[in-house]
Amino acid sequence: NAGVTQTPKFQVLKTGQSMTLQCAQDMNHNSMYWYRQDPGMGLRLIYYSASEGTTDKGEVPNGYNVSRLNKREFSLRLESAAPSQTSVYFCASSAQGYTEAFFGQGTRLTVV
Amino acid sequence: DAKTTQPNSMESNEEEPVHLPCNHSTISGTDYIHWYRQLPSQGPEYVIHGLTSNVNNRMASLAIAEDRKSSTLILHRATLRDAAVYYCLPHNYGQNFVFGPGTRLSVLP
Repeated sequence: NAGVTQTPKFQVLKTGQSMTLQCAQDMNHNSMYWYRQDPGMGLRLIYYSASEGTTDKGEVPNGYNVSRLNKREFSLRLESAAPSQTSVYFCASSAQGYTEAFFGQGTRLTVV
Repeated sequence: DAKTTQPNSMESNEEEPVHLPCNHSTISGTDYIHWYRQLPSQGPEYVIHGLTSNVNNRMASLAIAEDRKSSTLILHRATLRDAAVYYCLPHNYGQNFVFGPGTRLSVLP
């Protein structure tokens, strides 16, 4: 059981470049989330998708876009990367209700 | 969102019990109390959650105060692998998972 899979695990971008972080879950969960975690800090919600076909902004959405491609996949796109977006990005999913969230292993992104 | 307060850091000796406290005085009556932990260089992982009564699983126990304004995560015998940041967060149906800074637990051999 793979759970939540994120690709890539590591990425270095130059300022202004674009890229898409991929996330897929195999637990048939309705809700999916993207968080970022800066060094020594807690997790901050970027975007979330409560169900297939819906997306909403979280705490820190500026500079990002998301796509809920289908029930399994939720991607995060940086259109023009900035050094301030250097961070570790985590994708998570959960079933609706009171159940727990499951997290991927993260994508470590450096923007130079 | 209900606000939580946790100690910044705690230390424990290996093989001793650890009690990690969390205050959540503004929790609503239907919020569950979730605990997650984050090992170094990994994503957060679920530990346990509960509503009113105490809960046990293979990883830990959760003791919830009668007034639900605080809870305590109990690791019965800490191991070196339990060194992590522990997060307490209220969660309700349809809500997002909002993480605070958590408690950094160090386990001494």
